[in-house]
Amino acid sequence: GAGVSQSPSNKVTEKGKDVELRCDPISGHTALYWYRQSLGQGLEFLIYFQGNSAPDKSGLPSDRFSAERTGGSVSTLTIQRTQQEDSAVYLCASSLWQGAQETQYFGPGTRLLVL
Amino acid sequence: DAKTTQPPSMDCAEGRAANLPCNHSTISGNEYVYWYRQIHSQGPQYIIHGLKNNETNEMASLIITEDRKSSTLILPHATLRDTAVYYCIVRTIFNNDMRFGAGTRLTVKP
Repeated sequence: GAGVSQSPSNKVTEKGKDVELRCDPISGHTALYWYRQSLGQGLEFLIYFQGNSAPDKSGLPSDRFSAERTGGSVSTLTIQRTQQEDSAVYLCASSLWQGAQETQYFGPGTRLLVL
Repeated sequence: DAKTTQPPSMDCAEGRAANLPCNHSTISGNEYVYWYRQIHSQGPQYIIHGLKNNETNEMASLIITEDRKSSTLILPHATLRDTAVYYCIVRTIFNNDMRFGAGTRLTVKP
């Protein structure tokens, strides 16, 4: 079946511009995560959505970052007034919440370059 | 979540078993051990997970020591396509994120 998809696959933008990154989770998955991965680094948690619950925004690095999930499916991560340090791969993952044994499935990521 | 320690890199000959160790000496009773891998320029891929019993699936085997303080991921017949960074993660149901460390860069050589 279809996996997690993300768009665009690559995005180049100028410093100060806003960008929107999209994630289409696996159909039926109730949990959705956004992560960021800088070059050669591990994954940095950004935000988590679970069903209709309030999202866990504890990983968002600044108020320039926001995300929403419409209809419990597609999610958009928005970065306002981009900075060069925002350059990274942004990864989305979804899961069918199974309590103690949750497996996250990742998309291919969006590579963001801020010039 | 408990912290994990993995060697930064390992080599393995094609066709041989790759054994990737992970130390998680502070693991608690409700934490699972997960393994993911990330092939260059792709998103992480789930491999296997376990609590205290050894586990096997079509990709790999997971051996967890009796005291649960360490584990080993085994790729029984490594291929060139198994070259990737392998991440060992321990987590509870109480955290909403996967804490990925630096992982082990496995290089499978012909």
